[in-house]
Amino acid sequence: QVQLVQSGAEVKKPGASVKVSCKASGYTFTGFYMHWVRQAPGQGLEWMGLINPDSGGTNYAQKFLGRVTITSDTSISTVYMELRTLISDDTAVYYCARTGNLDFWGQGTLVTVSS
Amino acid sequence: DVVMTQSPLSLPVTLGQPASISCRSSQSLVHSDGNTYLNWFQQRPGQSPRRLIYKVSNRDSGVPDRFSGSGSGTDFTLKISRVEAEDVGVYYCMQATHWPRTFGQGTKVEIK
Repeated sequence: QVQLVQSGAEVKKPGASVKVSCKASGYTFTGFYMHWVRQAPGQGLEWMGLINPDSGGTNYAQKFLGRVTITSDTSISTVYMELRTLISDDTAVYYCARTGNLDFWGQGTLVTVSS
Repeated sequence: DVVMTQSPLSLPVTLGQPASISCRSSQSLVHSDGNTYLNWFQQRPGQSPRRLIYKVSNRDSGVPDRFSGSGSGTDFTLKISRVEAEDVGVYYCMQATHWPRTFGQGTKVEIK
């Protein structure tokens, strides 16, 4: 069965960076794009970007250009999302989700940005 | 960006009664390949989102048949034929036709 298991919660100071991982299992890793979506406390869902794990090609939302990098390591079926120059508004739960229509989601990773 | 507008934002429903959520897009969601990439997600309290419906009207595996999706172009609807207690949560539409992908604001379904 498809599973996406994300890394644990993080607490970061403003200006720092965070790197969240998403380990996939139960399917051919290189056969499906992986997306990242975030959700601020009590708010809705916001699409951040995606990666094609086969080619390494990426596509990012304009809002995050220059601040986010999504990478993959096919040897361990894991995708990473790094967000830099964190501000308090980046406090959110970050999700990975498979394919363009987001059929399977990870459990989410809470990133708290606080001084 | 394509703006997705859901209504209502809050939906109190009596158990066993039907519920309907509207989702309108600022542009047509018909892709050049002929498909319409409009999806619906359910997010129960404290859980990750779960996809219910893909490409307007296709129910995901394990989704009860009381959930149905319909619509075309810019106007879409999610219907629950008879609301059950486990349906409480927030429902989101999302378009995957245009870049960037965008979500509706969410509709909170609660029991009266």
